[in-house]
Amino acid sequence: EPEVTQTPSHQVTQMGQEVILRCVPISNHLYFYWYRQILGQKVEFLVSFYNNEISEKSEIFDDQFSVERPDGSNFTLKIRSTKLEDSAMYFCASTDIGYEQYFGPGTRLTVT
Amino acid sequence: DQQVKQNSPSLSVQEGRISILNCDYTNSMFDYFLWYKKYPAEGPTFLISISSIKDKNEDGRFTVFLNKSAKHLSLHIVPSQPGDSAVYFCAAIIQGAQKLVFGQGTRLTINP
Repeated sequence: EPEVTQTPSHQVTQMGQEVILRCVPISNHLYFYWYRQILGQKVEFLVSFYNNEISEKSEIFDDQFSVERPDGSNFTLKIRSTKLEDSAMYFCASTDIGYEQYFGPGTRLTVT
Repeated sequence: DQQVKQNSPSLSVQEGRISILNCDYTNSMFDYFLWYKKYPAEGPTFLISISSIKDKNEDGRFTVFLNKSAKHLSLHIVPSQPGDSAVYFCAAIIQGAQKLVFGQGTRLTINP
């Protein structure tokens, strides 16, 4: 069964550093998403991406964040200058035309 | 942001009995609802969904009920099995929008 994959599974970085989280969505899916879950809190929407552009973003997704689909398979989330409060699980998701979004296993980002 | 609420942080059920997980929402614009299951160190896995034009959807052991007037939905699992032990998230989406809005999750434990 096709699945969303994410790398790395765990990323440790120092405050102020840039990180890139990578995702390979399901191959025939058209819509791509990033969510995050801070420990003990809800899963929160960050951004959606369709047809090579951002289609919706949350208040969390400020100028420090960017997304890119550099080729036909990868989808990345970049945080330019990480803060302590960026520490969270980051989930990538994708879907075709339905509402059911399929999630990857997540990347645990630890900012020290 | 409390648009989707799961008021029970945990639930313990005996194997073979029925598990009932509840979810309330406040935004009447939501018109599609989903349940996700999450194991530790994994991403949310789509389980079952329901459109606001229906009041029930069934898939094997899983049934979701929607009461629009009460802004309430529930997930029934029968019979419950040990492998059902996980955190269950309720999520909602507005047609045409991109983001899923999640509840806080309910940890379900199935006791042998």
